[in-house]
Amino acid sequence: LAKTTQPISMDSYEGQEVNITCSHNNIATNDYITWYQQFPSQGPRFIIQGYKTKVTNEVASLFIPADRKSSTLSLPRVSLSDTAVYYCLVEDSGTYKYIFGTGTRLKVLA
Amino acid sequence: DAGVIQSPRHEVTEMGQEVTLRCKPISGHNSLFWYRQTMMRGLELLIYFNNNVPIDDSGMPEDRFSAKMPNASFSTLKIQPSEPRDSAVYFCASSSAPGPGDEQFFGPGTRLTVL
Repeated sequence: LAKTTQPISMDSYEGQEVNITCSHNNIATNDYITWYQQFPSQGPRFIIQGYKTKVTNEVASLFIPADRKSSTLSLPRVSLSDTAVYYCLVEDSGTYKYIFGTGTRLKVLA
Repeated sequence: DAGVIQSPRHEVTEMGQEVTLRCKPISGHNSLFWYRQTMMRGLELLIYFNNNVPIDDSGMPEDRFSAKMPNASFSTLKIQPSEPRDSAVYFCASSSAPGPGDEQFFGPGTRLTVL
C-alpha cells in the first residue's frame, strides 16, 4: 500500500515561501497527485494537482520529479490566512486505492 | 451554489444506536464520496458513487456501515449498530469527474460522537 508521508508540522513567517513535500513510494503511474488545504472544522479544499514536472496556478506551484515518488507543494509569500493543514492525495499502484497523506500543519507567524 | 450540504453537523448517540448521515452533492456533479477523519487514521475514503452506482466500497470498515445513493441529489451513510470507535468526522464530497483523483468539493462534515 502506498505510504504517503509528510512532515508533521512547519512554521513560517509571513511573506516567505513554504515548500511541503509528500513522499509516495508506490504511486500509480497514471493518475494525478492532488493537494488539499484544510482549516479547522471545515472540509478539505482543493489547491492544485499535477501529473509530472511543474504545475502552477494562482495560489501554488506543484513540483513532481520524473519518478513521481514525491511531490512538493510550494506556497509563495504565505500570509497568516495560509495557516492550515495540507494533505497530498495519491493512488496506490497495487490496490488502486486513493490514499491521503498524513498531513502537514503549517503555522504562519506574523 | 450552496456547495455540498451535510446533515446533521453534529450527532451524539449511544452505543448500539443507528446513525444516519446525509449528504446533498453539488448540482450537476455525478460522483459522490464519503470519507472518515480521525486523529489516529487520518482521512480515509470509505466509498464512492458514480452516477448513483457504488464504484468502490473497499474502504467501508465493517458490515455495520452501509451507504446508499437513491438519486443524484441525495446520499446516506448509515452505521448500525454504532460503536464508540466510530466516533469521527465524516465528510461527503462531490465531483464532476468520475474518480477520487480529480478535484473534489467537500462538505463541512458531520462530527459523530458515540458514547
